[in-house]
Amino acid sequence: DAGITQSPRHKVTETGTPVTLRCHQTENHRYMYWYRQDPGHGLRLIHYSYGVKDTDKGEVSDGYSVSRSKTEDFLLTLESATSSQTSVYFCAISERGNTDTQYFGPGTRLTVL
Amino acid sequence: AQSVSQHNHHVILSEAASLELGCNYSYGGTVNLFWYVQYPGQHLQLLLKYFSGDPLVKGIKGFEAEFIKSKFSFNLRKPSVQWSDTAEYFCAASGNTGKLIFGQGTTLQVKP
Repeated sequence: DAGITQSPRHKVTETGTPVTLRCHQTENHRYMYWYRQDPGHGLRLIHYSYGVKDTDKGEVSDGYSVSRSKTEDFLLTLESATSSQTSVYFCAISERGNTDTQYFGPGTRLTVL
Repeated sequence: AQSVSQHNHHVILSEAASLELGCNYSYGGTVNLFWYVQYPGQHLQLLLKYFSGDPLVKGIKGFEAEFIKSKFSFNLRKPSVQWSDTAEYFCAASGNTGKLIFGQGTTLQVKP
């Protein structure tokens, strides 16, 4: 398995609070991604990064921000969590971008009450 | 708009039955196609991928998929399923936009 960890693995929070999820890789891959997985929707891309400090929006970026200050870490922040952001969040990495295989982390289950 | 569609949302099979899961895509230009699997409680793993060349692609665990350009399809097949194939299966596509689009997923339940 690719060296990808996500923290925390589970989190329960209240509406309106800020939340930060962390993705850490040991593969030195250039590209990193954040997805959310919801029943009936598959996985949807939130944001991705193509290098340190280089990020771009995905399909469902509203309400989320990201930062990447080091190759190995990609942070996803919910500035003010809402119940619609209750989901399972997956981080993924790839070496050469979207023409390449993406490897996924174990996921973070977030519940917003 | 670019999209990936999986028509079978929930499939139930008995062991040794043959499997075919449908996947259709809507993409302009060059397309790269993937099938991922998510076993219960685990993260997504790559089953197989198609970038170019032979349209019949073989993956892990006896799975294969055929890229049919004229039908915009990339169906996943396995001649004989096992109970351990119980999982959720996702078709995905990427192109020159640099973004991976997933289908809605198909839950496969294999009865022993």
